Amino acid sequence: QVQLQESGPGLVKPSQTLSLTCTVSGGSISSGGYYWSWIRQHPGKGLEWIGYIYYSGSTYYNPSLKSRVTISVDTSKNQFSLKLSSVTAADTAVYYCAREYYDSSGYYFDYWGQGTLVTVSS
Amino acid sequence: SSELTQDPAVSVALGQTVRITCQGDSLRSYYASWYQQKPGQAPVLVIYGKNNRPSGIPDRFSGSSSGNTASLTITGAQAEDEADYYCNSRDSSGNHHVVFGGGTKLTVL
Repeated sequence: QVQLQESGPGLVKPSQTLSLTCTVSGGSISSGGYYWSWIRQHPGKGLEWIGYIYYSGSTYYNPSLKSRVTISVDTSKNQFSLKLSSVTAADTAVYYCAREYYDSSGYYFDYWGQGTLVTVSS
Repeated sequence: SSELTQDPAVSVALGQTVRITCQGDSLRSYYASWYQQKPGQAPVLVIYGKNNRPSGIPDRFSGSSSGNTASLTITGAQAEDEADYYCNSRDSSGNHHVVFGGGTKLTVL
């Protein structure tokens, strides 16, 4: 059974960089066909896709966040990470890591982490 | 880029059938997937592809699609189905992006 677990600071100061890591267990992050994603949810709001990294290292980001986002992968640790720079209070949200799979049924997020609340405040 | 539009809220009487819809141009190219999210919990995949349910999802959940509209149907809604439901697909603009609908709050009366 694949499991994803987010980790990182729950409190970040304005203008600093938010850094989160997602540890994947029960499967290899290097396997093809999977897109390792970060998704966030502002309090009381809907889901917002941040970006993903493919096992090959290719990355794609939400245009609204692209200038501040970096997603990277560490295959030796079976982890992928999110860095969001120059944060403001508007970046306060629950951050989820998730695995998107592609097969004959299309694309879908089959596994999610439990989510981690990150608050931006001084 | 593409957008997916959902009704903000829908209600259904206990045991009745409810349809939650999702509209967007990307649905002409990609299947929608559907997620259930209960308060304080991560989203859970309930429908993907043409009409596939992951293991453990009750068969009262089903999916369909026509043109630019995808639908999630719950036949015989139960109290535990009260939740937020999100649709999702890939952007059809060729930019490899992911899109989510704004979510539908389902109330079971």
